[in-house]
Amino acid sequence: DAGVIQSPRHEVTEMGQEVTLRCKPISGHDYLFWYRQTMMRGLELLIYFNNNVPIDDSGMPEDRFSAKMPNASFSTLKIQPSEPRDSAVYFCASSLLQGGPGYTFGSGTRLTVV
Amino acid sequence: QQQVKQSPQSLIVQKGGIPIINCAYENTAFDYFPWYQQFPGKGPALLIAIRPDVSEKKEGRFTISFNKSAKQFSLHIMDSQPGDSATYFCVSREMNRDDKIIFGKGTRLHILP
Repeated sequence: DAGVIQSPRHEVTEMGQEVTLRCKPISGHDYLFWYRQTMMRGLELLIYFNNNVPIDDSGMPEDRFSAKMPNASFSTLKIQPSEPRDSAVYFCASSLLQGGPGYTFGSGTRLTVV
Repeated sequence: QQQVKQSPQSLIVQKGGIPIINCAYENTAFDYFPWYQQFPGKGPALLIAIRPDVSEKKEGRFTISFNKSAKQFSLHIMDSQPGDSATYFCVSREMNRDDKIIFGKGTRLHILP
């Protein structure tokens, strides 16, 4: 298996533009997680899905953020409109079980909003 | 929200030294304690994990020590190498419960050559 695949690896966009981040989880993993990482706040869980259904989105910072999982092999995280404070590395992770034994993370998307 | 408190925030050790990273948790129901390792430009990856029925677990040069009464656990890296330079995260959670896991704030470790 190629692991969790995220695209793009880097994204630079202007404030106000829509940004879409993509994730392909490991086949057979029932759980998918979106995290955001910054120096100040560390790793923050934004939202997670179980069998394509959003379970907990309490970490989504604002209504500008939305996530979907139309099928078991694809998920998107969208920011509209983007703001400079959204600049961070966004990770997608998948897991067989909610709590582990381990999450497999993608390599992340580094988002810069100018 | 249940938290894990990780220290130190950063650590510099000479090659061959034994860096130690500590974590403290609150919830006595936690029964699974993994550590994740993250290299620059990569996502975190599971490194080693322990259950509270043992006081120590060793995998290669990495050892977790667990003190259930103190609700603390730590990661030791024996004979540390420059390639061990990374950010390390501790996690505490309750297995078999549909609850999200929370990562510690991370420790940035730098091993000097």
